[in-house]
Amino acid sequence: AQKITQTQPGMFVQEKEAVTLDCTYDTSDQSYGLFWYKQPSSGEMIFLIYQGSYDEQNATEGRYSLNFQKARKSANLVISASQLGDSAMYFCAMRELRNTNAGKSTFGDGTTLTVKP
Amino acid sequence: DGGITQSPKYLFRKEGQNVTLSCEQNLNHDAMYWYRQDPGQGLRLIYYSQIVNDFQKGDIAEGYSVSREKKESFPLTVTSAQKNPTAFYLCASSTRSDIANPTYEQYFGPGTRLTVT
Repeated sequence: AQKITQTQPGMFVQEKEAVTLDCTYDTSDQSYGLFWYKQPSSGEMIFLIYQGSYDEQNATEGRYSLNFQKARKSANLVISASQLGDSAMYFCAMRELRNTNAGKSTFGDGTTLTVKP
Repeated sequence: DGGITQSPKYLFRKEGQNVTLSCEQNLNHDAMYWYRQDPGQGLRLIYYSQIVNDFQKGDIAEGYSVSREKKESFPLTVTSAQKNPTAFYLCASSTRSDIANPTYEQYFGPGTRLTVT
């Protein structure tokens, strides 16, 4: 069974600084997708970035980048130049891509990020 | 506008009653998902469906039931067998994911907060 571990329940960062949110995963599959989502206090889920298991380059989307280390099974999210609006809960997720479980998704417990002015 | 709607936003029920949560999408997505989120926790997959008339159990399907008779709709019934139904329920949809098409993120609805007393 696949599992996502986010070891940082809460993180603080100073405005304009970079922060790394950790995510490790466990799967026996060779084909999977890794996702990061942001959940503000309003409860909505916002997609941030995607990394495929076969992608050789780390994904980037604006201020978000994903530090993907396949051998270590880690997919850490890096937020550069933090803004006050980045304060939210962040979830790492994995989706299986094999035919029998294609589409099945697993989320971590999340990290609450607080950006200090 | 395309998107996912969940209704109602807040729902109150007495213990022992079944309740059905609505989820509708007009994004023309094949895949739909139901998650449960408890306070301060991550998302746990209840059921998912990759195509009409087919669905699979997620990690916590006991006490829940779903149907997928139409592409646009994926209602979730919380039955009286669910021992602790009070939670925040999120519905999501995406383009169907498999090894050939791995990259598609999930789009989430605004959620329904269910309180059972």
